[in-house]
Amino acid sequence: LAKTTQPISMDSYEGQEVNITCSHNNIATNDYITWYQQFPSQGPRFIIQGYKTKVTNEVASLFIPADRKSSTLSLPRVSLSDTAVYYCLVGPTDKLIFGTGTRLQVFP
Amino acid sequence: ETGVTQTPRHLVMGMTNKKSLKCEQHLGHNAMYWYKQSAKKPLELMFVYSLEERVENNSVPSRFSPECPNSSHLFLHLHTLQPEDSALYLCASSQDSTHPLGYEQYFGPGTRLTVT
Repeated sequence: LAKTTQPISMDSYEGQEVNITCSHNNIATNDYITWYQQFPSQGPRFIIQGYKTKVTNEVASLFIPADRKSSTLSLPRVSLSDTAVYYCLVGPTDKLIFGTGTRLQVFP
Repeated sequence: ETGVTQTPRHLVMGMTNKKSLKCEQHLGHNAMYWYKQSAKKPLELMFVYSLEERVENNSVPSRFSPECPNSSHLFLHLHTLQPEDSALYLCASSQDSTHPLGYEQYFGPGTRLTVT
């Protein structure tokens, strides 16, 4: 399995940029990196997906170095509503295992 | 709104009851999924359907029985459940079950199930 490792929790303040890093040392050649966001008692929400270099959408950016052994989800100018759990998935190798994710707390 | 709906949103059932959870997706996707999320535990993938065929069953007890009559609808039939089956049951869909599209999933709001 392409086991992923993320920080258990992070704190930030409104308006700051938040970077959440995921380590995946055993990523396979055909694996993509996908990030989800989940609020309490709701289903996860797809944020972004990438294979290499940089991917950007209206919500976030995903940075993947050349060796692909890690990836960083970047959330620009977070707000209180970005308080949630963020999951990094590497697949298809990890077979849709969501793990415990990173709990991001945004303060006023 | 993700285009995936689930009913009911809340369900309380006794251990001898039979009930069904329903999921419907309005996204034109070909793959659908059932997940279980217990309190303070990660999501657990239960079943995967692709074009109405079950392609994955992650060692789920037989008291959970999925049904996918067409690519837009997915059911989870429940019978003789245990209190430890109380959880949030989430349905998701994706354009395809193969990667990378299978990892871009859209989730419903979930059904909060309590087994008494």
